[in-house]
Amino acid sequence: EVQLVQSGAEVKKPGESLKIACKDSGNSFTTYWIAWVRQMPGKGLEWMGIIHPAGSDVRYSPSFRGQATISADKSISTTYLQWRSLRVSDTGTYYCAKLDCTSPRCLIPHYFYMDVWGKGTTVTVSS
Amino acid sequence: EIVLTQSPDFQSVTPKEKVTITCRASQSIGSSLHWYQQKPDQSPKLLIKYAYQSISGVPSRFSGSGSGTDFTLTINSLEAEDAATYYCHQSSSLPWTFGQGTKVEIK
Repeated sequence: EVQLVQSGAEVKKPGESLKIACKDSGNSFTTYWIAWVRQMPGKGLEWMGIIHPAGSDVRYSPSFRGQATISADKSISTTYLQWRSLRVSDTGTYYCAKLDCTSPRCLIPHYFYMDVWGKGTTVTVSS
Repeated sequence: EIVLTQSPDFQSVTPKEKVTITCRASQSIGSSLHWYQQKPDQSPKLLIKYAYQSISGVPSRFSGSGSGTDFTLTINSLEAEDAATYYCHQSSSLPWTFGQGTKVEIK
């Protein structure tokens, strides 16, 4: 069974860099896509992007392209979300989620859904 | 970008009542609409996929319907453990989007 284990909470200052991780404890890491979702304090869910760890194919939301980078290291079954220069507005909880698709029309990114979620990493950016 | 608008934003319901949450898409998305439940201080959980298809382990009181632009999540006979925020999500086209959420409170 797939289980996504996310790295621990982070407290950073504006301008600092950060890389958070999402590790798959199962054995099928390179066969499915992973999504990253942001939730700002007290707010709703926002889709940031998706990555296929095997080929590192990445698709970003226009809202997050250039703001954060999604990457993967298939040798250790881990995907990453990183920032070069954090802003206060990056404060929030970041979830990774495994994608699945059981429709006959499956063709990334169409018709996929998020069926297994990590517990989230809380990032606080404050001076 | 496809905008998903949920209604209501908030609902206060007594146990055993029926709850109906709607999600309207700004353009047709076929059946590529999924529902998630997020309880306080927890990560989201998949409830319904492809508008109406059930998920293993999810209680049968949760059901979904709709296609095109109008979708509904129904909770029959609400239980106290159903207090949560519910989100719809479309994966018809990029960028994927979520509804703003509907918070269900137990009276």
